[in-house]
Amino acid sequence: AQSVTQLDSQVPVFEEAPVELRCNYSSSVSVYLFWYVQYPNQGLQLLLKYLSGSTLVKSINGFEAEFNKSQTSFHLRKPSVHISDTAEYFCAVTPNRDDKIIFGKGTRLHILP
Amino acid sequence: NAGVTQTPKFQVLKTGQSMTLQCAQDMNHNSMYWYRQDPGMGLRLIYYSASEGTTDKGEVPNGYNVSRLNKREFSLRLESAAPSQTSVYFCASKGELTSYEQYFGPGTRLTVT
Repeated sequence: AQSVTQLDSQVPVFEEAPVELRCNYSSSVSVYLFWYVQYPNQGLQLLLKYLSGSTLVKSINGFEAEFNKSQTSFHLRKPSVHISDTAEYFCAVTPNRDDKIIFGKGTRLHILP
Repeated sequence: NAGVTQTPKFQVLKTGQSMTLQCAQDMNHNSMYWYRQDPGMGLRLIYYSASEGTTDKGEVPNGYNVSRLNKREFSLRLESAAPSQTSVYFCASKGELTSYEQYFGPGTRLTVT
């Protein structure tokens, strides 16, 4: 069975500072990895995903995540956060060719002025 | 395209009452899902449907039933609501197996008193 651990439930960070949101997973089979973002009072939307190829994947709004197979991690980073990045971020994993996604418990990103 | 729509947006029920949450998608997706989101618990899968005419239990199916009415619509029914079912409910859909990305509706906030 697969599982996802998001190590921090909340991360406060000053505006324009860098941030890293940590995600580790466990699986006995190959997986695909995702980060979803949930802005206040909205549903989730895909931020970025790793399926294959380059282990570094990037979103259009400056986030990036690196797949590290040896450490079973998929940490999310941004070099300079903005107030509009205030949201909850969910790491998720799906076994290759499976129809279900397993979500972590989420990390709430608080941007301090 | 409206994407994934859910009705109602808010609902208050008394213990023992029944209700149906509606979900529809206009993306011609095969797979549809119902999740519940509770603080600190992330998203937990209630039921899913890999195609029209099929449904399967997820992680927390007790107290719920579902109907995949057609390819577009996937409803969630609470036959006898309990306070433990107070939550935010999200419907999601996914296209072909190789797309992997799930598209979420805006959610239904349900309170059971």
